[in-house]
Amino acid sequence: AQKVTQAQTEISVVEKEDVTLDCVYETRDTTYYLFWYKQPPSGELVFLIRRNSFDEQNEISGRYSWNFQKSTSSFNFTITASQVVDSAVYFCALSEARGGGSEKLVFGKGTKLTVNP
Amino acid sequence: EAQVTQNPRYLITVTGKKLTVTCSQNMNHEYMSWYRQDPGLGLRQIYYSMNVEVTDKGDVPEGYKVSRKEKRNFPLILESPSPNQTSLYFCASSFLGGAQYFGPGTRLLVL
Repeated sequence: AQKVTQAQTEISVVEKEDVTLDCVYETRDTTYYLFWYKQPPSGELVFLIRRNSFDEQNEISGRYSWNFQKSTSSFNFTITASQVVDSAVYFCALSEARGGGSEKLVFGKGTKLTVNP
Repeated sequence: EAQVTQNPRYLITVTGKKLTVTCSQNMNHEYMSWYRQDPGLGLRQIYYSMNVEVTDKGDVPEGYKVSRKEKRNFPLILESPSPNQTSLYFCASSFLGGAQYFGPGTRLLVL
């Protein structure tokens, strides 16, 4: 069965610190997708990134970067120079491809990040 | 603006009183899905739909119904709500094989 583990339940940092959120996944599929979503205190789920299993290039978007390593089944997320507005719960997710484009997202339990001023 | 909308955003009801949570998307997505989020259990899929008139169960379908009569709408129906269905519900949509975009969530309390 597919599984996503976010071992860090809560992280607290001071503004401008860099922080890395860990994500480890398990799957027997050779083709899959990995995601990160942000859930701010207001409650909505905001899509951040989607990565397919064949693309191990690291991705950078502004202060956000993602490191995908198939060898360790990890898809870690780093926020550089954190800001108070980054405070949220961050979810890593794995898609379970059921064919025909139907994908169920399997979520990790989330990491609550608090950035203090 | 491309979005997924849900209504109502907040709902308090009593056990056994049928309710419907609506979900609508304006992105012409084929795939739509419902999830519930509970403390300690995370997000779990309830039902999904790959297109009009095509629906299937997710991980926790008991006590829920869905329908997909139009591409843009995917309502979640609780025929006889019970307190264990108190939760935060999210609707999501995507193109087939694409990233799922979520609605703002519906907080449901069943007394």
